[in-house]
Amino acid sequence: SQQGEEDPQALSIQEGENATMNCSYKTSINNLQWYRQNSGRGLVHLILIRSNEREKHSGRLRVTLDTSKKSSSLLITASRAADTASYFCAGSTGGGNKLTFGTGTQLKVEL
Amino acid sequence: GAVVSQHPSRVICKSGTSVKIECRSLDFQATTMFWYRQFPKKSLMLMATSNEGSKATYEQGVEKDKFLINHASLTLSTLTVTSAHPEDSSFYICSATEDTQYFGPGTRLTVL
Repeated sequence: SQQGEEDPQALSIQEGENATMNCSYKTSINNLQWYRQNSGRGLVHLILIRSNEREKHSGRLRVTLDTSKKSSSLLITASRAADTASYFCAGSTGGGNKLTFGTGTQLKVEL
Repeated sequence: GAVVSQHPSRVICKSGTSVKIECRSLDFQATTMFWYRQFPKKSLMLMATSNEGSKATYEQGVEKDKFLINHASLTLSTLTVTSAHPEDSSFYICSATEDTQYFGPGTRLTVL
């Protein structure tokens, strides 16, 4: 399988704490994207980092990319209960923007 | 931002029937749409790439005669699950590509 791996599989933290999720992938990518999914719903695009970028910020999100290690991390700072969701990384390969998704991290932020 | 819709959001059907799921890009044209399948608490698995005006490209292990895809216009792709069986029960999600992939809200299929 070409699917990427994410760890941890599940993460439970208190509101206000930071949450870090890691993603490793197997093939070369054009870019790497992070998505959020609430239970039983569609995916929401969070952030895209290109293969020639090392770090990117968007609000409370910080993404890093290490192409030499084929890994990426997503940091959510000052987490809120509303951040509770599953988070997936997805590598874009080839033409046509084809995405290969990681296994996902289920984040639970408790009050 | 770009919006992708799916219809129906939920469908329950008897074993042996066929079910059609629609995916529409509402405010942009998409020459390429993707169909994914997701089992509970699992990741998305790409089933096929739907190309407007041409045949879909299926991923390895996906039966093209079982999952019929039609991309008749730049804003509509349909996935038909033919002769559905309980093991086809799943969450089906489509996406449409503009600058990035925008995902539909998903369709929950339950086959009794």
